[in-house]
Amino acid sequence: NAGVMQNPRHLVRRRGQEARLRCSPMKGHSHVYWYRQLPEEGLKFMVYLQKENIIDESGMPKERFSAEFPKEGPSILRIQQVVRGDSAAYFCASSASRVNTEAFFGQGTRLTVV
Amino acid sequence: AQTVTQSQPEMSVQEAETVTLSCTYDTSESDYYLFWYKQPPSRQMILVIRQEAYKQQNATENRFSVNFQKAAKSFSLKISDSQLGDAAMYFCAYRSGDGNKLVFGAGTILRVKS
Repeated sequence: NAGVMQNPRHLVRRRGQEARLRCSPMKGHSHVYWYRQLPEEGLKFMVYLQKENIIDESGMPKERFSAEFPKEGPSILRIQQVVRGDSAAYFCASSASRVNTEAFFGQGTRLTVV
Repeated sequence: AQTVTQSQPEMSVQEAETVTLSCTYDTSESDYYLFWYKQPPSRQMILVIRQEAYKQQNATENRFSVNFQKAAKSFSLKISDSQLGDAAMYFCAYRSGDGNKLVFGAGTILRVKS
């Protein structure tokens, strides 16, 4: 049973480009969470999605960031017109249900904006 | 809003010795979960131990145990018989009982000396 898969592991983008980060949850998991970890900091919640629905996006920046979790395929975190401050590690976690179940983390995508 | 505070940016321990990592949190909720995660240099987030707030008994997982003081809102992690492989960043995290997202502390770097 494969764990949470994130790709790419490392992504380099020039300022102004778009970054697409992918997350395939564990088999049987329909709940996905995205977190951002800035250098020397803890993880900060960004968004919680269930298949085809955004449930909680209270941690998402208002502009340039979007997330989706389609019926088929991985969840995508999209960052448009990236800036240097977007450089961070982005983690995805998945769980089988909304409450009282563990969330399992992927290995993260390290985004570097040059 | 819930907050999690880890007041020790860095700790060191001699191999085979015991070390305690501190964590305090703030919440007005009565139903919640607390976690300790380990993040080695690979960046993988590994769940170390979990505590349900309604349980008075402190959680234990092999060499890892917690001291959960609900009234004081304190949740420390004790690592016994420290091993070189324990060296990592450790994060304390909070999750509401009916919630989905984790709130993380800033982390404590643990160094293990041989």
